[in-house]
Amino acid sequence: DAGITQSPRHKVTETGTPVTLRCHQTENHRYMYWYRQDPGHGLRLIHYSYGVKDTDKGEVSDGYSVSRSKTEDFLLTLESATSSQTSVYFCAISESVGPSYEQYFGPGTRLTVT
Amino acid sequence: LAKTTQPISMDSYEGQEVNITCSHNNIATNDYITWYQQFPSQGPRFIIQGYKTKVTNEVASLFIPADRKSSTLSLPRVSLSDTAVYYCLAPSGNTPLVFGKGTRLSVIA
Repeated sequence: DAGITQSPRHKVTETGTPVTLRCHQTENHRYMYWYRQDPGHGLRLIHYSYGVKDTDKGEVSDGYSVSRSKTEDFLLTLESATSSQTSVYFCAISESVGPSYEQYFGPGTRLTVT
Repeated sequence: LAKTTQPISMDSYEGQEVNITCSHNNIATNDYITWYQQFPSQGPRFIIQGYKTKVTNEVASLFIPADRKSSTLSLPRVSLSDTAVYYCLAPSGNTPLVFGKGTRLSVIA
C-alpha cells in the first residue's frame, strides 16, 4: 500500500471552530488531493496541489483552504466549521497526471460538526 | 473531461460473473478508461485501466469496443468480498480525477 496517513482519523467539533486535517505521504509524489465523500454525492474534489506551495481549487472548495509547505504534507483547513462540512475526507496522491495515471488514497478522516 | 455514465446499483449472487457497463460518448483520443473500487470505510483503489480491446489482471477484465464510447468491467465469479462501489473514469489531460457516484455492487450469498 502507498505510504499515506491521515490525521486525525476521527474528529468531532463544534460549529464555528477551526479544524485542520493533515495528510502525510512517504512516496515523494508531486500531486496531492483532498476529496470529501457524502451519501448520495460520491467523491468530490475540494483542493489539490501540484507541488510545494502550488495549489488549486476543486469543485467544492468554498469554506476550505489548503497549504503545502513540504512535499510530504498537505493540510486541509476549515476556518469555521459548519454542519454541512460533516463528511468523510480522503487524501490522495499521484506521481503524475495525464490520461493514464493512478491515484492512491489514504484511509480517510471522519469529521462530525455538531 | 469525458463524462461517464454507469448504473447506480447492481445485485448479484455469489459465484456469478458481473458485468458493469460504463458509457463515455465524448471520450478523447488520448483518454484511458480507468476503474476504481471502494470498499466500505476505505478510500478507492485502482483496479484496472485500458485504452482499447481487452485488458485482464488478477482482479478483473476490461472490455473496450473499437469506438471506445463504452466499456465493460467484468468481475468473474464474485464473492461477498466483492461488495463495493465501482467507479468508471476517463482521466483527461492534466486534470485531477473526477469521481461520479459509481455503481454500488451488492453480492448476495
